[in-house]
Amino acid sequence: SQTIHQWPATLVQPVGSPLSLECTVEGTSNPNLYWYRQAAGRGLQLLFYSVGIGQISSEVPQNLSASRPQDRQFILSSKKLLLSDSGFYLCAGSGTGDNEQYFGPGTRLTVT
Amino acid sequence: SQQGEEDPQALSIQEGENATMNCSYKTSINNLQWYRQNSGRGLVHLILIRSNEREKHSGRLRVTLDTSKKSSSLLITASRAADTASYFCAPGKGNKLVFGAGTILRVKS
Repeated sequence: SQTIHQWPATLVQPVGSPLSLECTVEGTSNPNLYWYRQAAGRGLQLLFYSVGIGQISSEVPQNLSASRPQDRQFILSSKKLLLSDSGFYLCAGSGTGDNEQYFGPGTRLTVT
Repeated sequence: SQQGEEDPQALSIQEGENATMNCSYKTSINNLQWYRQNSGRGLVHLILIRSNEREKHSGRLRVTLDTSKKSSSLLITASRAADTASYFCAPGKGNKLVFGAGTILRVKS
C-alpha cells in the first residue's frame, strides 16, 4: 500500500499571498496522484489529477495550479490566494487498475 | 453523472445496532468504493466492489451493488462508537473517482 505525506497540517494566509502545498508518496512507483478540496461538511471536489511526471489534468477552472516535478511529488500552488480558496485540501494516490485511493492527512487552509 | 449520492445525509443509532447507508449514481462504472472520514482527517478506504460483483464482505462491513438500479448499500453490523464518522461512496471509472456529499453516522454509546 501507499503512504501519502502532506504538509503543513494547517495554514493561515492573507488574501493575495502565494500558496504552495506539497504532497509526497511512499511505497509505490508511477502512482496516479490527485488533489481534492473539501468545504466544511461537504464532499470532495476533484481539483487536479496526474498520471505521470509533467502530466496534469485540471477538473475545474480556478485560481489554483498543480505540478508534478517528480514521480512521487505533487504540488498545489496559487500565485494570489482568494478568500474562496479556503478549505481542506487532500492529496491522494492510487495505482493502476482498480484505482483504490490512499489519502494524506490533509491541509486546512484559511485565507484571511 | 459519475458522482455518487449518499442517503441518508445523517444517521444516528445506538451502539450495537446496524447502520445502512445507500448510494446512487447515474453512469456506467468499473467499480464502486466506500470510504470513511473521521472529523478533520483524510479518507480511509473501506471496500471496493467491482461492477461484476453483487455483494462483498469485510469484517463487519457488507456492501451490495446493483448495476441495473445503479445503486449500492453499505451495511455496518454491530456498530461501535468508533464507527462515528462520515461515509462516502465513490463510483469509479478510468482514473477518477467522484465523491458524493457523504452520510454522517453517529453511534451513541
